[in-house]
Amino acid sequence: AQSVTQPDIHITVSEGASLELRCNYSYGATPYLFWYVQSPGQGLQLLLKYFSGDTLVQGIKGFEAEFKRSQSSFNLRKPSVHWSDAAEYFCAVGTATSGTYKYIFGTGTRLKVLA
Amino acid sequence: DTGVSQDPRHKITKRGQNVTFRCDPISEHNRLYWYRQTLGQGPEFLTYFQNEAQLEKSRLLSDRFSAERPKGSFSTLEIQRTEQGDSAMYLCASSSDESGYTFGSGTRLTVV
Repeated sequence: AQSVTQPDIHITVSEGASLELRCNYSYGATPYLFWYVQSPGQGLQLLLKYFSGDTLVQGIKGFEAEFKRSQSSFNLRKPSVHWSDAAEYFCAVGTATSGTYKYIFGTGTRLKVLA
Repeated sequence: DTGVSQDPRHKITKRGQNVTFRCDPISEHNRLYWYRQTLGQGPEFLTYFQNEAQLEKSRLLSDRFSAERPKGSFSTLEIQRTEQGDSAMYLCASSSDESGYTFGSGTRLTVV
């Protein structure tokens, strides 16, 4: 069965420090992978996506992610975190079954940024 | 285009009452999804429409839940005889292909 694991429930970093959020997936075929960010009480905003090609993808707000097939991982990184990055981050895999394309989300990582 | 709109943003209802939520997708998007998100969890798939056809329903969607998308435009999600376990954020998303959803801001339902 397809699944997404985000092993870190909470992460705290200081402003200006680097960030890496982990994501591991289980999917039989070549996955479509996504990272979304959610501010409190809000919907989800797409940060970046991987479909094929270059395994390092750039997204909005200075985020990037690297797809590693051998590790079934799609970790999100940012070189220098800003206080406004405090939010919850969700990794998702796009799956196609019975003609329906839908996402399976991880449980999220809540990021706290210290001033 | 103003993105995906959901109404209401918040709904408090008494157990046993019926509630209905509305989603207006991006106009050119033919795919529409409903997800449910509970505290501390990621969104879980509920149902999917392609145009006006409801192509898949999750087993999470009990017979108290029904969704429609008349004319392939806006969609409604109705919950009958609400239970406390229905308290959650209900998210709507739309897309035109597999390149990524656009989510609305969600409707937060509290059943008291």
